[in-house]
Amino acid sequence: EVVLTQSPATLSLSPGERATLSCRASQSIYSNLAWYQQKPGQAPRLLIYDASNRATGIPARFSGSGSGTDFTLTISSLEPEDFAVYYCQQRNNWPPLFTFGPGTKLDIK
Amino acid sequence: EVQLVESGGGLVQPGGSLRLSCAASGFTFSGYWMSWVRQAPGKGLEWVANIKTDGSEKYYVDSVKGRFTISRDNAKNSLYLQMNNLRADDTAVYYCAKSAATAFDIWGQGTMVTVSS
Repeated sequence: EVVLTQSPATLSLSPGERATLSCRASQSIYSNLAWYQQKPGQAPRLLIYDASNRATGIPARFSGSGSGTDFTLTISSLEPEDFAVYYCQQRNNWPPLFTFGPGTKLDIK
Repeated sequence: EVQLVESGGGLVQPGGSLRLSCAASGFTFSGYWMSWVRQAPGKGLEWVANIKTDGSEKYYVDSVKGRFTISRDNAKNSLYLQMNNLRADDTAVYYCAKSAATAFDIWGQGTMVTVSS
């Protein structure tokens, strides 16, 4: 079973700053990694799939990188609406089982 | 508009059963794998189960195997989760989600399941 760890658990930044969130897999998952944003009381929203592809309608300030075991979500310049919890998620090649990381809370400094 | 709408949540006693439904619209439901994902209060996301396009393959997280059954009715554009022998640690918001290869691109708004006496 692949275990995902995310760091830091909490990140405190100000609007306009750059955010760098990390996700590490316990074994290689190639590029099978997605990132989600979740705000209180809302369902998660897909931001990035296959490690580096932005989902439909996601602003260009969000970017993903990495492969194998180490992945990064970067928000180039934080907007007020970006403060939320971010989760990474992977899917096994087969059987198609999914796991999520524990999340990183991005809050306003 | 692409949409998923869950229903069927509520309060149930430990050991009880509940059936969740998810109505899909705005896309070709029969063409996609579908999943259930849950989130306990104040906690992170946990994938629960998924089902192949035609219902012929189903997979579950270990903690629900033998208790939960995922199913679908493509004629009704609907996804289901039958939950039996419910436990307190099954308390969560349950989301249905559309699979896009390795990720979930569409989510419902969720339905709350509370297991308590």
